[in-house]
Amino acid sequence: GENVEQHPSTLSVQEGDSAVIKCTYSDSASNYFPWYKQELGKGPQLIIDIRSNVGEKKDQRIAVTLNKTAKHFSLHITETQPEDSAVYFCAATGANSKLTFGKGITLSVRP
Amino acid sequence: NAGVTQTPKFRILKIGQSMTLQCTQDMNHNYMYWYRQDPGMGLKLIYYSVGAGITDKGEVPNGYNVSRSTTEDFPLRLELAAPSQTSVYFCASTINTGYGYTFGSGTRLTIV
Repeated sequence: GENVEQHPSTLSVQEGDSAVIKCTYSDSASNYFPWYKQELGKGPQLIIDIRSNVGEKKDQRIAVTLNKTAKHFSLHITETQPEDSAVYFCAATGANSKLTFGKGITLSVRP
Repeated sequence: NAGVTQTPKFRILKIGQSMTLQCTQDMNHNYMYWYRQDPGMGLKLIYYSVGAGITDKGEVPNGYNVSRSTTEDFPLRLELAAPSQTSVYFCASTINTGYGYTFGSGTRLTIV
């Protein structure tokens, strides 16, 4: 089945700097790659997603890039703000049509 | 729209007790899922359903049961609670595969 890995497990950036979170996946048939943000005590919330026929997608300060050859995709957050501090999960839909999630990365934005 | 609603938000259960975690969605989504989240381990799929009357096991189904009698409701049943089932449980739904999931706010369950 699909295996999704996120590294590192924590990331700390200065407010205003950019943050990049990377994920790799194993199933070359995967075709849908969402990113979720989870704030303390809440459920994960979809923030952006990308499909395998697209290389990049932007939504204001966030963007996602996909490299199908290398089987990795990344979340880019520009001009980070304290409210961006959260746990971020990447996921991939493999051949079984179910989402497989990475273990999550804790992003801390220092004021 | 309320989205995905989970009850209760918190529960403490004694070893061997049983309980049902409730999940309901008002988006007419066919696909529904139950995940458990343990610290540093991400989200593990327990059970899922592709429509009313159809359920299937996920990655970690042991100790749990589900039913899907209506499109809206997808309850998760713990029959004999064990300490290993202490976790945060999330219910999610989606309109179809290849689309983002909408998650509930979770149930924090502690088995003592």
